[in-house]
Amino acid sequence: AQSVSQHNHHVILSEAASLELGCNYSYGGTVNLFWYVQYPGQHLQLLLKYFSGDPLVKGIKGFEAEFIKSKFSFNLRKPSVQWSDTAEYFCAVNGNTGRRALTFGSGTRLQVQP
Amino acid sequence: GAGVSQSPRYKVTKRGQDVALRCDPISGHVSLYWYRQALGQGPEFLTYFNYEAQQDKSGLPNDRFSAERPEGSISTLTIQRTEQRDSAMYRCASSLGLPGTGGAGNTIYFGEGSWLTVV
Repeated sequence: AQSVSQHNHHVILSEAASLELGCNYSYGGTVNLFWYVQYPGQHLQLLLKYFSGDPLVKGIKGFEAEFIKSKFSFNLRKPSVQWSDTAEYFCAVNGNTGRRALTFGSGTRLQVQP
Repeated sequence: GAGVSQSPRYKVTKRGQDVALRCDPISGHVSLYWYRQALGQGPEFLTYFNYEAQQDKSGLPNDRFSAERPEGSISTLTIQRTEQRDSAMYRCASSLGLPGTGGAGNTIYFGEGSWLTVV
């Protein structure tokens, strides 16, 4: 069965610091990978996604993620965070075998201090 | 509609009562998903539909939970004889294409969720 691990449960950074949130997955087939963000009081929004091709994916608001197949990882990065990036971030996976619907990680709560 | 719409946004019910949560997906979206999310946790898959067919209900926790999408559009998640442990955010989502496929059709859009509190 597929699974997603997000090892950082709560991250606190100062503005302008660099961000990297870890995501490791377990999946048996051709994989699609996603990062979603949930800002306080809002619904889940798609940040970026990987289906195929260039393993470095760029998303909205300056976020990017790199798919490293050999490490089963899809880490989220941002060179310089802002206070407005304070939110909860979820990594998710689906693909062409097993459960087709998204499987989510437990999330990482990011707190950016001004 | 413009986005995935869920109702009610907030529901407080007494233990033992039945609850129905409604989801109106983005117009034209083929697939519809239900998730449950407890505080501090990631969304947990419950079930999903392609058109009106329930493709996977393996995430439904027990037989008190059921879902339907009779005309391939609006869906209802029903919880019978609610218990306090059912208290959570229930999220609906939809996608233009079938899940697990590559491409933009696999992008899944979420609604704002329905908060359920069982007292």
